[in-house]
Amino acid sequence: KAGVTQTPRYLIKTRGQQVTLSCSPISGHRSVSWYQQTPGQGLQFLFEYFSETQRNKGNFPGRFSGRQFSNSRSEMNVSTLELGDSALYLCASSRQITDTQYFGPGTRLTVL
Amino acid sequence: AQTVTQSQPEMSVQEAETVTLSCTYDTSESDYYLFWYKQPPSRQMILVIRQEAYKQQNATENRFSVNFQKAAKSFSLKISDSQLGDAAMYFCAYRSAEGSSNTGKLIFGQGTTLQVKP
Repeated sequence: KAGVTQTPRYLIKTRGQQVTLSCSPISGHRSVSWYQQTPGQGLQFLFEYFSETQRNKGNFPGRFSGRQFSNSRSEMNVSTLELGDSALYLCASSRQITDTQYFGPGTRLTVL
Repeated sequence: AQTVTQSQPEMSVQEAETVTLSCTYDTSESDYYLFWYKQPPSRQMILVIRQEAYKQQNATENRFSVNFQKAAKSFSLKISDSQLGDAAMYFCAYRSAEGSSNTGKLIFGQGTTLQVKP
């Protein structure tokens, strides 16, 4: 069974631009969560989706948004990029909300 | 709010030896899950082991085992017969159990970088 896939793997953007990251969960998994990883702040929770509904949101500004589609694939969008948004963005999926989360390889975003 | 603390930023171990990574957490919940994840230089986060708080028996996965002390809110990871491939950053994580609004959210510690010396 294929694992969690994330596209693109690497992105370079400039300040003020917007970006969309994609996550395809493991087949049969309906829950998708997103995390931001930076050297200074560590791993921080962004959002959690289940059956196309956002169940939980972390403490991030409104520039960070996401959605989940009927096939469980998820996207997250960051508008008006800032230098501090440079990070590794990790997506994780689980069969149900209460199940173990399995992570994708991440998208490395660099904002110049 | 729940917090997870890993007090050892870096650890090193000789190949074939045993090493223990520490993790403490704070919560007012009685039911929850604890995890150890491994993140090698490739950055792919890999599940190492999972522990349900309601189970008194410590989880074991091959060379990896945990010492779960619920009253002390401690969750350490023991790696036996360390191998070069064990070199990575290890994260301890907490997740609320079913019924909580935070069920799908993992709370991570700061991580411990493990070096394995040949």
